[in-house]
Amino acid sequence: AQSVSQHNHHVILSEAASLELGCNYSYGGTVNLFWYVQYPGQHLQLLLKYFSGDPLVKGIKGFEAEFIKSKFSFNLRKPSVQWSDTAEYFCAVRGGYQKVTFGTGTKLQVIP
Amino acid sequence: DAGITQSPRHKVTETGTPVTLRCHQTENHRYMYWYRQDPGHGLRLIHYSYGVKDTDKGEVSDGYSVSRSKTEDFLLTLESATSSQTSVYFCAISESKDRNTEAFFGQGTRLTVV
Repeated sequence: AQSVSQHNHHVILSEAASLELGCNYSYGGTVNLFWYVQYPGQHLQLLLKYFSGDPLVKGIKGFEAEFIKSKFSFNLRKPSVQWSDTAEYFCAVRGGYQKVTFGTGTKLQVIP
Repeated sequence: DAGITQSPRHKVTETGTPVTLRCHQTENHRYMYWYRQDPGHGLRLIHYSYGVKDTDKGEVSDGYSVSRSKTEDFLLTLESATSSQTSVYFCAISESKDRNTEAFFGQGTRLTVV
């Protein structure tokens, strides 16, 4: 069965600090990988996605993620966070039978 | 935003009553999913569908059933609601991973079982 592990449950950063959120997945076959963001009271929105090709993918709002196949990882990064990045971030994998499985999420709090 | 509508958006119900949540899509996507979101658990898959009348269980399917009689509608039924089913429920739609598209989410339904 596929699974996703997010290592950080709650991260607090000051504005302009760099961000890296960890995500590891388990699945033996071809996967699609995603990062979604959920602002308070809202539904999930896609930040970025990986299907194939260049393992470094860029998303919206200055976010990027790197797929490292040998480590089964898909970590999210941003060089300089803003207060408006305060939200919950979810890593997800689509693997077998088109199931989309999510991690438990990381709450990011950015302090002005 | 993708054409996904969840109804109702909010519902309060009593323990032991049946409840049906509806997800309607206008994108003609093949795959549809129901998730519940709870603090500390992220989104957990309840059931999903890979076509009309084709459904399968997710990781937290006990106490839930689903039906998909049309491509555009995916219904989630709580057969006898319990307080542990108080949650926010999200519907999602997707094409196959060969199509290189992401899953799109509805706005969510906040269900409270009292």
